[in-house]
Amino acid sequence: QSVLTQPPSVSGAPGQRVTISCTVSSSNIGADYDVHWYQQLPGTAPKLLIYGNNNRPSGVPDRFSGSKSGTSASLAISGLQAEDEADYYCQSYDNSLSGSVFGTGTKVTV
Amino acid sequence: EVQLVESGGGLVQPGGSLRLSCVVSGFTFTTYAKSWVRQAPGKGLEWVADISGSGGSTFYADSVKGRFTISRDNSRDTVYLQMNSLRAEDTAVYYCTKTTMGVRGVKFDSWGQGTLVTVSS
Repeated sequence: QSVLTQPPSVSGAPGQRVTISCTVSSSNIGADYDVHWYQQLPGTAPKLLIYGNNNRPSGVPDRFSGSKSGTSASLAISGLQAEDEADYYCQSYDNSLSGSVFGTGTKVTV
Repeated sequence: EVQLVESGGGLVQPGGSLRLSCVVSGFTFTTYAKSWVRQAPGKGLEWVADISGSGGSTFYADSVKGRFTISRDNSRDTVYLQMNSLRAEDTAVYYCTKTTMGVRGVKFDSWGQGTLVTVSS
């Protein structure tokens, strides 16, 4: 079973920078597949935040950035704002499952 | 503007069946894959199923394989999730997504608002 492991929670003061790690435990994902990030504000559906490891969809502030190296990815939020309080999930693809896997999720508190 | 609107959720007894629908607009229906992703109450996201842009390929999570069927009606711009032999652990909000499939994997570009399925006696 593939697992993408994230810290359960991170917190920071307004204006600070926080990072969320996403560690891949399966060799079936590794360097071959991209990692994407989703933001889920309280009571709403998830939204694509970062795609292809480090790309922002139109409309996503440049305070959000992503990176990936080998079997680890991370999401950084700089200039933290109150509106960034949400759950964040990483996601990738596992070719042994022919399907997607999500990270365990991280709650960001400002 | 891309829109995905799910319907069909509700309360069903264990062992029962339910069919979810998702009407999409704002993009060419056959160009993109569609997926279902679920979220149990207070829990994280779980991928359920994909159907390719052409509709010729389907993929399922092991937890639903053999019980759930994803399908599409191009004439109605609608994707379905037929759920049979439902269990308590299938209780979740089910989201429909516009999905991009490529050589570097799969991403869920846009999401619907979700529909709640509750399996309980």
